[in-house]
Amino acid sequence: NAGVTQTPKFQVLKTGQSMTLQCAQDMNHEYMSWYRQDPGMGLRLIHYSVGAGITDQGEVPNGYNVSRSTTEDFPLRLLSAAPSQTSVYFCASSSPGLAYEQYFGPGTRLTVT
Amino acid sequence: AQKITQTQPGMFVQEKEAVTLDCTYDTSDQSYGLFWYKQPSSGEMIFLIYQGSYDEQNATEGRYSLNFQKARKSANLVISASQLGDSAMYFCAMRNTGNQFYFGTGTSLTVIP
Repeated sequence: NAGVTQTPKFQVLKTGQSMTLQCAQDMNHEYMSWYRQDPGMGLRLIHYSVGAGITDQGEVPNGYNVSRSTTEDFPLRLLSAAPSQTSVYFCASSSPGLAYEQYFGPGTRLTVT
Repeated sequence: AQKITQTQPGMFVQEKEAVTLDCTYDTSDQSYGLFWYKQPSSGEMIFLIYQGSYDEQNATEGRYSLNFQKARKSANLVISASQLGDSAMYFCAMRNTGNQFYFGTGTSLTVIP
């Protein structure tokens, strides 16, 4: 099992550019989520999905879109990149239910200039 | 509103000593899960331990134990016999019945030889 994979590992964007961060998992997990990690702020939930075709907003959804057409994939789209979106982005997946931990991808370090 | 508070930005511990990392949480849910994750300098998120809100016994996993005090809404992580490899960021997290995870801002632990 590859677990949770994310691409790319690093990305530099100019302000106003758009891009998609890819996330895939091979554990048949229904729950997937995207976080951003900024210094001193922990991980903040951007969007999450409880199954294919179902997505919902987390704490900091502005400027990001998601879709979930398959169980395996959960891409995150930056519509018009801003310097405030410079961060490390983590994708995670888990089985539904309170007792299940999340499995995290390795992260994508994004810099917006 | 759900919230996780970690009040210790940084902690130091002597090798082979025990250390407690504090975590308090705020939720109106009756059912929830509490988690601790470790993030070494390499950046990956590693699951350490889980405690359910209805679990009467404190969770233990090897050298990790969770000191769960439900009435005080605290879920402190205890690491016994600290090792140099324990130096990392540690995050407390809570999963609610809506399947959302909330993370604290983290505690940076340094183990001194």
